[in-house]
Amino acid sequence: AQSVSQHNHHVILSEAASLELGCNYSYGGTVNLFWYVQYPGQHLQLLLKYFSGDPLVKGIKGFEAEFIKSKFSFNLRKPSVQWSDTAEYFCAALNDYKLSFGAGTTVTVRA
Amino acid sequence: SQTIHQWPATLVQPVGSPLSLECTVEGTSNPNLYWYRQAAGRGLQLLFYSVGIGQISSEVPQNLSASRPQDRQFILSSKKLLLSDSGFYLCALPGQGAAGANVLTFGAGSRLTVL
Repeated sequence: AQSVSQHNHHVILSEAASLELGCNYSYGGTVNLFWYVQYPGQHLQLLLKYFSGDPLVKGIKGFEAEFIKSKFSFNLRKPSVQWSDTAEYFCAALNDYKLSFGAGTTVTVRA
Repeated sequence: SQTIHQWPATLVQPVGSPLSLECTVEGTSNPNLYWYRQAAGRGLQLLFYSVGIGQISSEVPQNLSASRPQDRQFILSSKKLLLSDSGFYLCALPGQGAAGANVLTFGAGSRLTVL
């Protein structure tokens, strides 16, 4: 069965610091990968997605993620975070009809 | 555009009571629909998905059931709630078009507290 694991449960950092959230998936076939974000009090929304092509994917709000097939990884990065990036971040992988999510990483950015 | 309505937004129920959470969608026809549960520290867990009226697939054994009585209606139910059923329940459907088909849009969710 497919699974998605996120390495960090809670990350705390200061504004302007760089952010990297780890995500690994276990599925050997063609995979579609996603990062979703949930800001406090808001819906889950898509941050970025990878289907094929360039393994470095640019998303909204300055986020990017790199798909490394050999490592089964899809890590999320942002070079300089802002206080408004405080949120919970979920990595997800699609297999057939089913989108499997990681446990999520809570990111707290201190002003 | 597609919209997802979930009702009720919040619910507090005693252990052993029944449950019915409703999800209705607009702006689409014959969509795949999904129920996810978000529990603290456990991320999002797929509970059920449906590819059409009367077609339900269950992902995990549990105290819950789902039904798809109409094309745009997906209902999550329980006959007797357990404490462990507490959580945030999200209904979701895929986006439209080839580019959006693999991207889920989520409803606002229903927060269930079982006491």
